Amino acid sequence: GAGVSQTPSNKVTEKGKYVELRCDPISGHTALYWYRQSLGQGPEFLIYFQGTGAADDSGLPNDRFFAVRPEGSVSTLKIQRTERGDSAVYLCASSPDGTSGLIGTQYFGPGTRLTVL
Amino acid sequence: GENVEQHPSTLSVQEGDSAVIKCTYSDSASNYFPWYKQELGKRPQLIIDIRSNVGEKKDQRIAVTLNKTAKHFSLHITETQPEDSAVYFCAARRSGGSYIPTFGRGTSLIVHP
Repeated sequence: GAGVSQTPSNKVTEKGKYVELRCDPISGHTALYWYRQSLGQGPEFLIYFQGTGAADDSGLPNDRFFAVRPEGSVSTLKIQRTERGDSAVYLCASSPDGTSGLIGTQYFGPGTRLTVL
Repeated sequence: GENVEQHPSTLSVQEGDSAVIKCTYSDSASNYFPWYKQELGKRPQLIIDIRSNVGEKKDQRIAVTLNKTAKHFSLHITETQPEDSAVYFCAARRSGGSYIPTFGRGTSLIVHP
């Protein structure tokens, strides 16, 4: 079946602009995660949704970052007043169930490469 | 919070040799340890995982071992092939809370033909 998809695959923007990154999880997966991956680093947690609600947003670096998942499927990561330091690959992952002790595997999307000039 | 250290950062082997990547974690409550393979420009893909009630798990040429007492786990790849070349990430996740995994910084494995 279809995996996690993310759009756009690449986004180049200018400092100070607003960007939206989209994630389409695997159908039926209730848990959705956003990560940021800088060159030579592992994925860094940003925010986790269980259904429509943000269950854990402790990884968001500051209030310029915000994410929504209004219908419990597609999620949008929003970055205001972008800075050069925001340049990274933004990864989305989904999992069948984020709360079970037998939690499902996280399936990653291909990522969106964000470049802030 | 959890802290995961991964070594080495780069590993270069000849085709057919074995490769071992090691990770340590700090949170004794962590109970799930996945390993991901990420090829250049591609998404991370789960290759094997282990839960804390098991000491070793094998899947063909790949195995993972876990030492809960020492809080370390390792990935073993035998009979390496050029297509094994990629960045490998370990992660640790605890039960309860948000089930957010903490990732290591990655190991770039290069298999020379």
